[in-house]
Amino acid sequence: GQQLNQSPQSMFIQEGEDVSMNCTSSSIFNTWLWYKQDPGEGPVLLIALYKAGELTSNGRLTAQFGITRKDSFLNISASIPSDVGIYFCAGTNTGNQFYFGTGTSLTVIP
Amino acid sequence: SAVISQKPSRDICQRGTSLTIQCQVDSQVTMMFWYRQQPGQSLTLIATANQGSEATYESGFVIDKFPISRPNLTFSTLTVSNMSPEDSSIYLCSVTRGGAEAFFGQGTRLTVV
Repeated sequence: GQQLNQSPQSMFIQEGEDVSMNCTSSSIFNTWLWYKQDPGEGPVLLIALYKAGELTSNGRLTAQFGITRKDSFLNISASIPSDVGIYFCAGTNTGNQFYFGTGTSLTVIP
Repeated sequence: SAVISQKPSRDICQRGTSLTIQCQVDSQVTMMFWYRQQPGQSLTLIATANQGSEATYESGFVIDKFPISRPNLTFSTLTVSNMSPEDSSIYLCSVTRGGAEAFFGQGTRLTVV
């Protein structure tokens, strides 16, 4: 199945810095989702986006649904050590099938 | 969201044996999915579990190797049959509640020796 391209593949940042990552697709989606996966755990839903151009926040996290419907962006402000993990984007049109990104591994250096 | 209990959380199994993974949800869900996640990789859909009927498998996955049951709206099982070391992976149950948001269990980390 289709896999979405995420970049960067990995990031090493200092605590307190802001983080930006993005996800692109060759197909359009009606919904974009962002997940965080801690080691040994399942992915946890962070933010859901339903409308092109939408900008949604969840605490220090902000995500945007690209205007072309083929991309999405996730920003984390003022990173802290517990932000460490792998971030996945996902796209869906019907809720019957989900396409996942390749993942961005985030390391926060105290 | 949904409270999803997946069991076992991890197991070490001998090659040639089978392991059944259970996924129990706290209330009725619409869709139930099973994914495989190999170390350092993204999620790969194995199949969609259909209530009362055969699961819908993705290309590269077959019922004989990954039999799936879904007897009701809150429970499903995935069996990994005749295991080999290549089956070592994380297996994840995922559900939706009629919307476009998918929720995941904590995963089952399988090691085949």
